[in-house]
Amino acid sequence: DAKTTQPTSMDCAEGRAANLPCNHSTISGNEYVYWYRQIHSQGPQYIIHGLKNNETNEMASLIITEDRKSSTLILPHATLRDTAVYYCIVRATEAGTASKLTFGTGTRLQVTL
Amino acid sequence: SAVISQKPSRDICQRGTSLTIQCQVDSQVTMMFWYRQQPGQSLTLIATANQGSEATYESGFVIDKFPISRPNLTFSTLTVSNMSPEDSSIYLCSVDWTGRDYGYTFGSGTRLTVV
Repeated sequence: DAKTTQPTSMDCAEGRAANLPCNHSTISGNEYVYWYRQIHSQGPQYIIHGLKNNETNEMASLIITEDRKSSTLILPHATLRDTAVYYCIVRATEAGTASKLTFGTGTRLQVTL
Repeated sequence: SAVISQKPSRDICQRGTSLTIQCQVDSQVTMMFWYRQQPGQSLTLIATANQGSEATYESGFVIDKFPISRPNLTFSTLTVSNMSPEDSSIYLCSVDWTGRDYGYTFGSGTRLTVV
């Protein structure tokens, strides 16, 4: 699976949009971009994933560049409860096919008042 | 998404002893994964447990130290054997729900302290 690069930490004011970048310049054509987050003392939580197109769900939006070498996770209105470590992961997967996730160091997002 | 129950949630153990961690899923899944998260670190995959076959271990992890059982499609155990303080970590099990658009689901983890 391709390697990802994320900033070590970021701050965001509550109520503002949090934009978390991720570089994955060696991504292959069949690899998806996944985002997870880990709130302190809990197991990681799935947020969103995508292949080429931008994706949106109730938690966040995922913007993938046209060349797919980078992406941005957007939390539109960050709250204190969004304070967590956010992991960007790239892996090849097909529907119904399980495969392992390889975690990098992630971005520690601190949401402040 | 799948609901994963992991037990115990935490334990303090003496060095040289063993601890078995249980992971129960509310639906049948083909593969289950065991991770370790050392203090202040990211998650590291220990092994993949497939029902009906031997677990597949990642580099740096061996069966004698981390034996895994997978007796059916909803349950797995991870044993941490002959523990030392370096084994103090959070251990997490997970299942892959990618095919159902739910993503990868994790248990809440077992916080192990070895004294």
